[in-house]
Amino acid sequence: EAGVTQFPSHSVIEKGQTVTLRCDPISGHDNLYWYRRVMGKEIKFLLHFVKESKQDESGMPNNRFLAERTGGTYSTLKVQPAELEDSGVYFCASSTPWGDTGELFFGEGSRLTVL
Amino acid sequence: AQSVAQPEDQVNVAEGNPLTVKCTYSVSGNPYLFWYVQYPNRGLQFLLKYITGDNLVKGSYGFEAEFNKSQTSFHLKKPSALVSDSALYFCAVRDPSFSGGYNKLIFGAGTRLAVHP
Repeated sequence: EAGVTQFPSHSVIEKGQTVTLRCDPISGHDNLYWYRRVMGKEIKFLLHFVKESKQDESGMPNNRFLAERTGGTYSTLKVQPAELEDSGVYFCASSTPWGDTGELFFGEGSRLTVL
Repeated sequence: AQSVAQPEDQVNVAEGNPLTVKCTYSVSGNPYLFWYVQYPNRGLQFLLKYITGDNLVKGSYGFEAEFNKSQTSFHLKKPSALVSDSALYFCAVRDPSFSGGYNKLIFGAGTRLAVHP
């Protein structure tokens, strides 16, 4: 069974440009999460989807960030326009739709560098 | 506010020696606690969790963690370290007010474990 996959693994862009990160969760996982780790600090929650619905986007930094999950399968996270402070590693995770196991399955992350 | 602290940026240990990676938390109510590990060029992997019950929790790769409510700690331990244990370790807590598979985790900053031969 394929794990959570993220693309691209690394993106280098100029300030003001746009970047779109993609996440393919494990098949059958209704819950999808985006997290971010900036400059070796804590991994911080960005938002949570259940299928195609945003359940909690309280961690989104500002309106330059837009997350979508059309059809309840893969998700995209767009940053437009990118700023220097957006640099970091963006992790996607998914989990099963039942139970409170607490286990998240993470992708390898997408490293974003804004110059 | 819920928070997790990992006071050590890096822990160095010789292979074969016991290791401890420290974690303290602050959360209202009963905590759900987790340890995740990130090996180089890999995603985070679940190691173990504490929800309720025995304070000593056993997980993958011979790791265990001890929940201490009075000290609000959840330190990760292993009796005998391996070079292959070298990785980045994250402690996390989940707000117990959430349920139904909703795992909004609050992570610490991570501790890099270096096991030397």
